[in-house]
Amino acid sequence: GESVGLHLPTLSVQEGDNSIINCAYSNSASDYFIWYKQESGKGPQFIIDIRSNMDKRQGQRVTVLLNKTVKHLSLQIAATQPGDSAVYFCAETIGGDYKLSFGAGTTVTVRA
Amino acid sequence: GAGVSQSPSNKVTEKGKDVELRCDPISGHTALYWYRQSLGQGLEFLIYFQGNSAPDKSGLPSDRFSAERTGGSVSTLTIQRTQQEDSAVYLCASSSSGGASRGTQYFGPGTRLTVL
Repeated sequence: GESVGLHLPTLSVQEGDNSIINCAYSNSASDYFIWYKQESGKGPQFIIDIRSNMDKRQGQRVTVLLNKTVKHLSLQIAATQPGDSAVYFCAETIGGDYKLSFGAGTTVTVRA
Repeated sequence: GAGVSQSPSNKVTEKGKDVELRCDPISGHTALYWYRQSLGQGLEFLIYFQGNSAPDKSGLPSDRFSAERTGGSVSTLTIQRTQQEDSAVYLCASSSSGGASRGTQYFGPGTRLTVL
């Protein structure tokens, strides 16, 4: 079945460095992708999204890259800050479907 | 503005008891979603409401789970005869329109359910 997965469950980053979080998806029909950030004890918080007709989208300090050829999604965080420490999830959906399929998440820890 | 709120924040119950979890979506959001998050896992879709109707209940794990939504606003997720495997964080989200790509889903803080 289709699944959304992340390459690494944990990532340790030095404060000020750039972070790259990866996500692989298996369903080539997926056409909308979202990155969420979840801090301890809180619900997931929307970060950025991208549709399949794009390969890059930028936000404030974040960039999402989509490579449909290899079904790969990444989230880049520039100048990582302590407040970026959290679990990051990628989610996918197909054809405007309401169901979001989530990966297991990557835990990002920022070292001072 | 107020976000999605859920109550209680924590619920500890004994195996076999019934529990009710409440979600107050963002005012004006027509779509409401319930997800379950087990420890260290991603989110598992449970059910989706558009208005008061639930077009898709396929994610509910068993017939012990049910949900309703009234007045196009508040939703209640009920778990009957709770089992230990029901222990998880139950998250509610809402969006301004149905369909993930037409309305970003905003999540509440969740209810942590522990079944002893």
